[in-house]
Amino acid sequence: QSALTQPPSASGSPGQSVTISCTGTSSDVGGYSYVSWYQHHPGKAPKLMIYEVTKRPSGVPDRFSGSKSGNTASLTVSGLQAEDEADYYCCSYAGNNYWVFGGGTKLTVL
Amino acid sequence: QLQESGPGLVKPSETLSLTCIVSGGSITSVNYYWVWIRQPPGKGLEWIGNIYSSGRTYYNPSLKSRVTISVDTSKNQFSLSMNSVTAADTAVYYCARLSAMPRVFDIWGQGTMVTVSS
Repeated sequence: QSALTQPPSASGSPGQSVTISCTGTSSDVGGYSYVSWYQHHPGKAPKLMIYEVTKRPSGVPDRFSGSKSGNTASLTVSGLQAEDEADYYCCSYAGNNYWVFGGGTKLTVL
Repeated sequence: QLQESGPGLVKPSETLSLTCIVSGGSITSVNYYWVWIRQPPGKGLEWIGNIYSSGRTYYNPSLKSRVTISVDTSKNQFSLSMNSVTAADTAVYYCARLSAMPRVFDIWGQGTMVTVSS
């Protein structure tokens, strides 16, 4: 199984929207609704932001949203804020109790 | 909460051993698996494997031949053992909890850096 493909970087100005893609295959992203997104500030524990493609855990701002089309999932951050600057990782179930992560996207708030 | 512990430096060809202490809940709670994930410097996250409190394990095929995850319910902790390590195993190692419903890694440790070097 290969890692999911994410762009290495993304950026936007405060208040703008940014979308991060996560491309897999029909064996992972395209085959299951168990895609999640994690926000990671270096030195800290990763934080769950989106699960089951579109759902937000309690406490996560509604500025964060998720979607999926075919083998590609996306995370959109609307109304960018300075504290959104972090690394973001997608993750998908790949069957047979196997999980695969993306390579990560560094989001910069300009 | 989850907290990793173990040596920060391991020699090539030796065995890496880490422990994750689970606090604030029981490791035998139903519907949860216990997980090891790692992140090599400058790279993305890599799932290593899961264990259920019964001892049932699931491993990343690319690491399966070198990895053992075990659980000690009496100490409310689980462990990772990886043998024949090389510099490529240098990484921050995270322990995490995998919820079965929904299927997410909902709690993570802070991570511990392990360097493989002589």
